[in-house]
Amino acid sequence: NAGVTQTPKFQVLKTGQSMTLQCAQDMNHEYMSWYRQDPGMGLRLIHYSVGAGITDQGEVPNGYNVSRSTTEDFPLRLLSAAPSQTSVYFCASSYFFTPDSGNTIYFGEGSWLTVV
Amino acid sequence: SQQGEEDPQALSIQEGENATMNCSYKTSINNLQWYRQNSGRGLVHLILIRSNEREKHSGRLRVTLDTSKKSSSLLITASRAADTASYFCATDQRGSTLGRLYFGRGTQLTVWP
Repeated sequence: NAGVTQTPKFQVLKTGQSMTLQCAQDMNHEYMSWYRQDPGMGLRLIHYSVGAGITDQGEVPNGYNVSRSTTEDFPLRLLSAAPSQTSVYFCASSYFFTPDSGNTIYFGEGSWLTVV
Repeated sequence: SQQGEEDPQALSIQEGENATMNCSYKTSINNLQWYRQNSGRGLVHLILIRSNEREKHSGRLRVTLDTSKKSSSLLITASRAADTASYFCATDQRGSTLGRLYFGRGTQLTVWP
């Protein structure tokens, strides 16, 4: 049981390049999400998915695309990288919440992205 | 902002001392969670407290919740150097998208040997 696996761990991109951050989980979680973490800003939600074929925008979705073709995978695509997207990206997953259940979220180890 | 806000931003103590971190939030919640992040790593869930609970314990951790004040505190007793990390509160807000948590900016705890 690997949990949430993110790749790559580190990446340097040039402005305008595109790339995909991969995320996979083996816990059969319905809910998956992508956050970015910047100094002094905490974690901000980029996109999330409540199941295969269903995605929605979070707090800071501009410049990013996602898809959820399977329960296990939730890749994050940067369409045309900008220096403002330099950040640490975290993928996370959980069982589906209800107001009474309050499930916990499992995080990947992070992907450090630098856009020059 | 809908985020929780942790206080203090940074806390430095000696081993054996207790560490207290606070979290304030703005809206009604279903539950509040605390996470820990070691440097260069992902976040790890510590404890969840529901809106109808006032106090919860897990090992050396004690969490309180005051919904009337919209605040929570995390107490780590008898701190160890290995407790050095950033601690985040996250709220599951009533009426928000199910599964969406709102994270604060975190408290950086340093425990000196």
